Amino acid sequence: GAVVSQHPSWVICKSGTSVKIECRSLDFQATTMFWYRQFPKQSLMLMATSNEGSKATYEQGVEKDKFLINHASLTLSTLTVTSAHPEDSSFYICSAPERKNIQYFGAGTRLSVL
Amino acid sequence: EDKVVQSPLSLVVHEGDTVTLNCSYEVTNFRSLLWYKQEKKAPTFLFMLTSSGIEKKSGRLSSILDKKELFSILNITATQTGDSAVYLCADFGTSYGKLTFGQGTILTVHP
Repeated sequence: GAVVSQHPSWVICKSGTSVKIECRSLDFQATTMFWYRQFPKQSLMLMATSNEGSKATYEQGVEKDKFLINHASLTLSTLTVTSAHPEDSSFYICSAPERKNIQYFGAGTRLSVL
Repeated sequence: EDKVVQSPLSLVVHEGDTVTLNCSYEVTNFRSLLWYKQEKKAPTFLFMLTSSGIEKKSGRLSSILDKKELFSILNITATQTGDSAVYLCADFGTSYGKLTFGQGTILTVHP
């Protein structure tokens, strides 16, 4: 299957700092990528749709200024958690659909805010 | 708004048992239904189903879709401890690429 790379896999930061997470499609181009958040023992919740060359589309209840998304190229989307607080601690996962419309997921980033 | 419901939410079996996981969906514009397996990290793709009645099979895993009754099942035969994971089904519906996930079924296989 297609490969999606997500980096870093784990990050610990102090409250008030910003953290950037990268998502790359390694062997295909993706005009659209998706960012999810997952709490322990819960399913994936879609946060936003990242669109190459245009603004991201955020799901209801997700703060745009808090979770900045940039889709810089056809293979790279970034999620920046700004002024992180402990309640932002979570598992963040990106995905990208390849040409058969099957979505492939990155390995996820575990964010711990102290 | 699309809705995906999985059952059971958790299941504990012994190696060698056969399990059936259920997924029902309500969508306004159905395109396909996908099954994923999630262990400690991100979900890995298992099956994509678009047509009713056609079984998809991969080793001990198989899945089928019923578009009339709006559900899908995932079967795992001769379970192994390595099958322990969360199994997620998701609807690929109205908006391009957007997946709506069910709650997941936590499968635990004991030796």
